[in-house]
Amino acid sequence: AQTVTQSQPEMSVQEAETVTLSCTYDTSESDYYLFWYKQPPSRQMILVIRQEAYKQQNATENRFSVNFQKAAKSFSLKISDSQLGDAAMYFCAYRSAAGGTSYGKLTFGQGTILTVHP
Amino acid sequence: GAVVSQHPSRVICKSGTSVKIECRSLDFQATTMFWYRQFPKKSLMLMATSNEGSKATYEQGVEKDKFLINHASLTLSTLTVTSAHPEDSSFYICSAQTADGTYEQYFGPGTRLTVT
Repeated sequence: AQTVTQSQPEMSVQEAETVTLSCTYDTSESDYYLFWYKQPPSRQMILVIRQEAYKQQNATENRFSVNFQKAAKSFSLKISDSQLGDAAMYFCAYRSAAGGTSYGKLTFGQGTILTVHP
Repeated sequence: GAVVSQHPSRVICKSGTSVKIECRSLDFQATTMFWYRQFPKKSLMLMATSNEGSKATYEQGVEKDKFLINHASLTLSTLTVTSAHPEDSSFYICSAQTADGTYEQYFGPGTRLTVT
């Protein structure tokens, strides 16, 4: 079974600064997807960024980028120019690319609460 | 973008009663929907996978007779908490997976259940 580990329960950053959230995972599969989700106080889950394991290039979405190290099974999220609206709980998630009845099932990490200080 | 709704957003029920939570994909078809449970400041715990027209697949430790799931159409899945008890109080989130081959997953806004 796959596992996802976020070792930082809480992180804080000053507005306009950069912060990196860590995520490691364990899998025996070679093809899979990795995601970062944001859950603000409203508790609506919002997709921040996704990475296909077969792609070597790191995904970026505006101020959000990832450092995907497949061999090390590491998938960190970098938030640049942090804004007050970035304050939320962030979850790293894994999804297998294999088929089957549970295709699409997400395995989440424990989450990291990000605080942004003005 | 794809929208998933949940109803109700909040519900309070008495111990021993049943409560139904609806999850709807508003602008796309979803052959698969997922139900999660989340405790405060904790991660999402997958309860079951709901496939349209077939029985749900429950995760280990989840009582299928207590958490009844029905995926009656390509846009609607329901979770019924039967004979609810205070320990069932939690935040329940559904997600819907598109049936267009991309398998993108979109989340509902969640339902806060309080059992008194």
